[in-house]
Amino acid sequence: ELKVEQNPLFLSMQEGKNYTIYCNYSTTSDRLYWYRQDPGKSLESLFVLLSNGAVKQEGRLMASLDTKARLSTLHITAAVHDLSATYFCAVLNYGGSQGNLIFGKGTKLSVKP
Amino acid sequence: KAGVTQTPRYLIKTRGQQVTLSCSPISGHRSVSWYQQTPGQGLQFLFEYFSETQRNKGNFPGRFSGRQFSNSRSEMNVSTLELGDSALYLCASSLVMGDGTDTQYFGPGTRLTVL
Repeated sequence: ELKVEQNPLFLSMQEGKNYTIYCNYSTTSDRLYWYRQDPGKSLESLFVLLSNGAVKQEGRLMASLDTKARLSTLHITAAVHDLSATYFCAVLNYGGSQGNLIFGKGTKLSVKP
Repeated sequence: KAGVTQTPRYLIKTRGQQVTLSCSPISGHRSVSWYQQTPGQGLQFLFEYFSETQRNKGNFPGRFSGRQFSNSRSEMNVSTLELGDSALYLCASSLVMGDGTDTQYFGPGTRLTVL
């Protein structure tokens, strides 16, 4: 059974600082996703990572994937308040269709001035 | 381009009742997935439909069912509601991109409260 673990679950950062969120998964998968969720809102897709060594960047966020270690990271550079949200990683359930994602518990990020 | 729409946005039901939630995917998307989000269990996959066929089902009791219509719109039904069914139900539609990636676009969700 595929399991996805994120850490930390809560992260309080100061503006301008850097930090990394980690996502480990237990079995082989083809794809890993990162999503953002603001309070009371739906999920917004951030990144889709397909292959070992994949790295994608958007603004202050950079995601990477190491399929051998079954590890993805979401790195935050020079955090700003607008990045405060809950971040989820999700892994495509191997052997399943593209619609079957297994989510981590989420990392609630709070960026303070 | 319109996003994924879900109706209703909020529902209050009592135990034992049944409920039907609706999801309209983005135009051209044929895959629709449903997820349940609760504070305790997080986001859990319910089922996925593609071209009116259920392709995958999560680990939920048979009280949870769904279907997809020829226009790709999907409904999910929960019968004999229990307090623990209170959750945000999210629908997502997906499109396979030219490079083989796919992105799931989530709707705003239906907040179900069971009293």
